Amino acid sequence: DAGVTQSPTHLIKTRGQQVTLRCSPKSGHDTVSWYQQALGQGPQFIFQYYEEEERQRGNFPDRFSGHQFPNYSSELNVNALLLGDSALYLCASSDGSNQPQHFGDGTRLSIL
Amino acid sequence: QKEVEQNSGPLSVPEGAIASLNCTYSDRGSQSFFWYRQYSGKSPELIMSIYSNGDKEDGRFTAQLNKASQYVSLLIRDSQPSDSATYLCAGLKGFGNEKLTFGTGTRLTIIP
Repeated sequence: DAGVTQSPTHLIKTRGQQVTLRCSPKSGHDTVSWYQQALGQGPQFIFQYYEEEERQRGNFPDRFSGHQFPNYSSELNVNALLLGDSALYLCASSDGSNQPQHFGDGTRLSIL
Repeated sequence: QKEVEQNSGPLSVPEGAIASLNCTYSDRGSQSFFWYRQYSGKSPELIMSIYSNGDKEDGRFTAQLNKASQYVSLLIRDSQPSDSATYLCAGLKGFGNEKLTFGTGTRLTIIP
């Protein structure tokens, strides 16, 4: 039973560039959430997708956008990258409301 | 006041002893709580979920929830060196508000 998979594992970009991160949820899960984790901090909620719609959004600028596909996989796009966007980006999937979220291995994004 | 607060540690516990990790939360609308373990450089791994007041045991782990006191704890019995990690406490309101709100984590070191 495959867990949550994310790609790529690592990414290096420069300021002003754009990036796309990808996530496939755990089998049977239909909800995908994205989090940003800075060093030494807990993950911060970016947004959540369900039925191909953004259901909920955290306190992130609209440079952060996403998409969910019919097979429940998801993408996170970040435009006009800033140095402060350097972080571990985590995708989590879940099945239904009020259910545990299971995380992928994350994408470590470094902005130079 | 942060929504979820944890003592950042580090917390050092001798091998074989009980490790006690604590978490408080400010939003009484939070319904469910989760403990994640995160090894250095890795993603969070779900180890316990708790939804109602009282204790929940799973192997060497016991989660405790007291909604009146807005307090969540995790006890690890017979601590092993492999338990050395950062432990993240997260709350969830549920029923449409599905974002996990994390504390900053407590770093636990088990001393052989």
